[in-house]
Amino acid sequence: GEDVEQSLFLSVREGDSSVINCTYTDSSSTYLYWYKQEPGAGLQLLTYIFSNMDMKQDQRLTVLLNKKDKHLSLRIADTQTGDSAIYFCAESRRFGAGTRLTVKP
Amino acid sequence: NAGVTQTPKFQVLKTGQSMTLQCAQDMNHNSMYWYRQDPGMGLRLIYYSASEGTTDKGEVPNGYNVSRLNKREFSLRLESAAPSQTSVYFCASSDGGGWGVRLGTQYFGPGTRLLVL
Repeated sequence: GEDVEQSLFLSVREGDSSVINCTYTDSSSTYLYWYKQEPGAGLQLLTYIFSNMDMKQDQRLTVLLNKKDKHLSLRIADTQTGDSAIYFCAESRRFGAGTRLTVKP
Repeated sequence: NAGVTQTPKFQVLKTGQSMTLQCAQDMNHNSMYWYRQDPGMGLRLIYYSASEGTTDKGEVPNGYNVSRLNKREFSLRLESAAPSQTSVYFCASSDGGGWGVRLGTQYFGPGTRLLVL
């Protein structure tokens, strides 16, 4: 069946780059999304990419899409402690389980 | 604008009790959704409503019912709560279809934490 998979945990040091990976199975998705969830809050849209794009950059965020391999990644440059949160990949109808990013000072 | 609001924020139920989770949005969105979030499982769609007057089952609808009362409000009802329904429940809304056909950013409420004993 259709699924979205992410690793559950990522830990980086402040100032390093973070890369969160996601694989999905529904090739019909027109858009793919990254959401951020801070403790005790709902999800907020972080960024998205149209399926015919390979890359999208938005300030410290870079989204890479490999449509052939159905692989999506989110790179956060110069990661800060305020970036500590759970990051969800989402495609047409499903969300991944979320990757908990911990940023150590 | 308040965005998406949910009530209550917390609730403790005994097995077999019923309750209704309320959700409202003030963004004039057509589509509304109910999800549950469980550790290690991400968000799973319970029900959604693509427009006023319509509702459809999502991935995990068993044990739940919904009502799209009007364009603003979408409620989720647990008729006979079970411990397996202990979870955090999120309501969301979006313009248009909300899925991959066109950009349908979903806006989430703050969540309702439900514990069923």
